Amino acid sequence: DAGITQSPRYKITETGRQVTLMCHQTWSHSYMFWYRQDLGHGLRLIYYSAAADITDKGEVPDGYVVSRSKTENFPLTLESATRSQTSVYFCASSETWGAYEQYFGPGTRLTVT
Amino acid sequence: DAKTTQPPSMDCAEGRAANLPCNHSTISGNEYVYWYRQIHSQGPQYIIHGLKNNETNEMASLIITEDRKSSTLILPHATLRDTAVYYCIVRAILMDSSYKLIFGSGTRLLVRP
Repeated sequence: DAGITQSPRYKITETGRQVTLMCHQTWSHSYMFWYRQDLGHGLRLIYYSAAADITDKGEVPDGYVVSRSKTENFPLTLESATRSQTSVYFCASSETWGAYEQYFGPGTRLTVT
Repeated sequence: DAKTTQPPSMDCAEGRAANLPCNHSTISGNEYVYWYRQIHSQGPQYIIHGLKNNETNEMASLIITEDRKSSTLILPHATLRDTAVYYCIVRAILMDSSYKLIFGSGTRLLVRP
């Protein structure tokens, strides 16, 4: 079915491990975003991408790496996971730079032990 | 981007109108007001946006004061499924900037049976 999907939905990993969270959208939207959500902080932007091969930092990029080789995919990698990266991660997309509406995925709940 | 202030929580009875206020006293002339909501364990969902005129869609109405320093989101006939956290966001759409949303803490709306 069309939409924006994230995988895995739940992940438990150990400190120091590399973890990649996947995001896939079927609308061919230009813009894609990664947010994290923590109690007391609301949603915070990690990275975003305006198009394939174009990415930029958001509010809290440290410890994360992104890539966008294809328009429909925007993976987020934690190169060496830390406990402070335990969070719920949401991917989103929007059609153009001027689009008012962002479509969010269902989220990935990541626990770093 | 202008900062927004929302009450942390509100409640209303099912079937009644829910009026969610938002203060954005430092809003600039080119900044829009957006509303999103997040139902428990789901990704945020776009509701409505506006610049200076009142707006209405199938989900809600947005009333913006004449000086644009505050706005109110109105859910005309709240249902139990409207229980969620509601985010008021102010953001400029600029030709030379990418589109990104900065979420605050929001208002937790509880709709009572």
